Amino acid sequence: QSALTQPRSVSGSPGQSVTISCTGTNSDIGIYNYVSWYQQHPGKAPKLIIYDVSQRPSGVPDRFSGSKSGSTASLTISRLQAEDEADYFCCSFAGTSYVFGTGTWVTVL
Amino acid sequence: QVQLVESGGGVVQPGKSLRLSCAASGFTFSNYGIHWVRQAPGKGLEWVALISYDGTKTYYAESVKGRFTISRDNSKSTLYLQMNSPRPDDTAVYYCARGYNWLDPWGQGTLVTVSS
Repeated sequence: QSALTQPRSVSGSPGQSVTISCTGTNSDIGIYNYVSWYQQHPGKAPKLIIYDVSQRPSGVPDRFSGSKSGSTASLTISRLQAEDEADYFCCSFAGTSYVFGTGTWVTVL
Repeated sequence: QVQLVESGGGVVQPGKSLRLSCAASGFTFSNYGIHWVRQAPGKGLEWVALISYDGTKTYYAESVKGRFTISRDNSKSTLYLQMNSPRPDDTAVYYCARGYNWLDPWGQGTLVTVSS
């Protein structure tokens, strides 16, 4: 199972929006609505921010939103803040396994 | 609060064995599936294995199948990862994480270094 494809980095100024894509195949994202997203600050454990494509856990700001079209999922961070600077990973169920994305570093300019 | 704490990491020689543990607290451990996920230094996340809530079903990444074994002791609220015949490319921080189709929360991780 190959890793899902994400851009290596994206950047934006405070208050702006950024969108991170996560491209899979018809063996994972294309047929399952079990896409989740994780935020990881340097030296810290990952934290769940989106599950089931577009659901936000309690306590996660509504600035984070998720969507899916075909075999590509997306994470949008609106009203960018300094504390959003981190790595972001997508993850999809793939039948009898799970696959993570390659990861995207978000820079807040 | 819900917490997962990994232990057992360290330096292990290629071909030897190592067992990682993940102690759970703050929730009913026997109700949840639990994953192992690893992260090589400076790299992304890699899913390793999943065990069902009752331990009857296990799933593995191809990269560890036949070498690693995931298990659990619900009476001790503890998850395990038995690493046999580790290779240098198994060097990583190993995290345990609760859930099935999403992982939440995660432990703080334990570093495994495979080196002679």
